[in-house]
Amino acid sequence: ETGVTQTPRHLVMGMTNKKSLKCEQHLGHNAMYWYKQSAKKPLELMFVYSLEERVENNSVPSRFSPECPNSSHLFLHLHTLQPEDSALYLCASSPTSGLASTDTQYFGPGTRLTVL
Amino acid sequence: AQKITQTQPGMFVQEKEAVTLDCTYDTSDQSYGLFWYKQPSSGEMIFLIYQGSYDEQNATEGRYSLNFQKARKSANLVISASQLGDSAMYFCAMESGGSYIPTFGRGTSLIVHP
Repeated sequence: ETGVTQTPRHLVMGMTNKKSLKCEQHLGHNAMYWYKQSAKKPLELMFVYSLEERVENNSVPSRFSPECPNSSHLFLHLHTLQPEDSALYLCASSPTSGLASTDTQYFGPGTRLTVL
Repeated sequence: AQKITQTQPGMFVQEKEAVTLDCTYDTSDQSYGLFWYKQPSSGEMIFLIYQGSYDEQNATEGRYSLNFQKARKSANLVISASQLGDSAMYFCAMESGGSYIPTFGRGTSLIVHP
């Protein structure tokens, strides 16, 4: 399997549930990202990992907890979410984390999360 | 601070015609990169085209071209010979200042009519 994959594709959870989103990239990239896409809002960067170390946390609430066990896998652990957290969560990867013409981000298909 | 503005929430175009999607940006950095992504209804984001701030020629990738006007700080996407499969959301994004954190616009919804 090639590219960036995300599971599950759809998730419905209650506010007291604990769930995890998974992202896997098969591109040999060193940087991975979590984004949140809400309706009528620009895409929001949540977390950046470079070589398995978190290098950016964009003031995301603590109910979102990322984990990057290796350069190919990225998780987003969800706990006591709110209905306003319902959104499309996109994972992306790039060869490096820096400004260059080759540092295009490749996105996964996203997980559509609904919090009841 | 970086800012991307896409002023067209929705666009309609006839199949086989060309369409221009607008994007203006704001940054104080001299070195930056501009990207366009396509997001079909499936949700995934597909990279289309890249333009560096020091690139002298406008970027082209197949039917996609980027009309880069540096003085006006605009980076419009031109899709030639539209196809029904081009119907999607299109996002303009920018990285600048050595940061790997991109800024995205709100997107433009493109609908291609047969």
